[in-house]
Amino acid sequence: GQNIDQPTEMTATEGAIVQINCTYQTSGFNGLFWYQQHAGEAPTFLSYNVLDGLEEKGRFSSFLSRSKGYSYLLLKELQMKDSASYLCAVRETGSGTYKYIFGTGTRLKVLA
Amino acid sequence: ETGVTQSPTHLIKTRGQQVTLRCSSQSGHNTVSWYQQALGQGPQFIFQYYREEENGRGNFPPRFSGLQFPNYSSELNVNALELDDSALYLCASSLELGNTGELFFGEGSRLTVL
Repeated sequence: GQNIDQPTEMTATEGAIVQINCTYQTSGFNGLFWYQQHAGEAPTFLSYNVLDGLEEKGRFSSFLSRSKGYSYLLLKELQMKDSASYLCAVRETGSGTYKYIFGTGTRLKVLA
Repeated sequence: ETGVTQSPTHLIKTRGQQVTLRCSSQSGHNTVSWYQQALGQGPQFIFQYYREEENGRGNFPPRFSGLQFPNYSSELNVNALELDDSALYLCASSLELGNTGELFFGEGSRLTVL
């Protein structure tokens, strides 16, 4: 079946590092994505992993282990503006079609 | 470059009515997907259109239907509205099927069913 798990809420301090974990069970895996969504706004793309390993993009990094069905998003040098919901999403493919499955999101609060 | 635009931004309907939501994809994008997002939840995939054909569907009943037009804009139609259909409906476009798959989301249409 399809299932994505991520923590509901996390709190961290400005300037710190936080790791948001995501585990998934899916068939036809075709990529894992992280999106950021500020309250009342549309999600915005952060990262994409399709092969195992770490992808780094500025203060944000994302890791994938396909054999473990596991990913994490690492945010460094936290800023107040990083307070948002972080969505883990898996894309599945099968018979030429694609589906996106999103987790419920992790609400990150960054404290001064 | 024009982003993804959705209309209307807010609307109120009553149970049993029908609603049509519209989405203009980002310039050059031929793939559009639709999502339902309840408060405090992640987006739930409804379906995706690629070059005017449905390509992938989530666990939504047939009363959720869609169209994609030759200019790649799209509509989401929901018939026989139920109270639980109250949600934010997000449209996202992408450059091509598969690929890096970066989705560009619109601001959404907030539907309230009374």
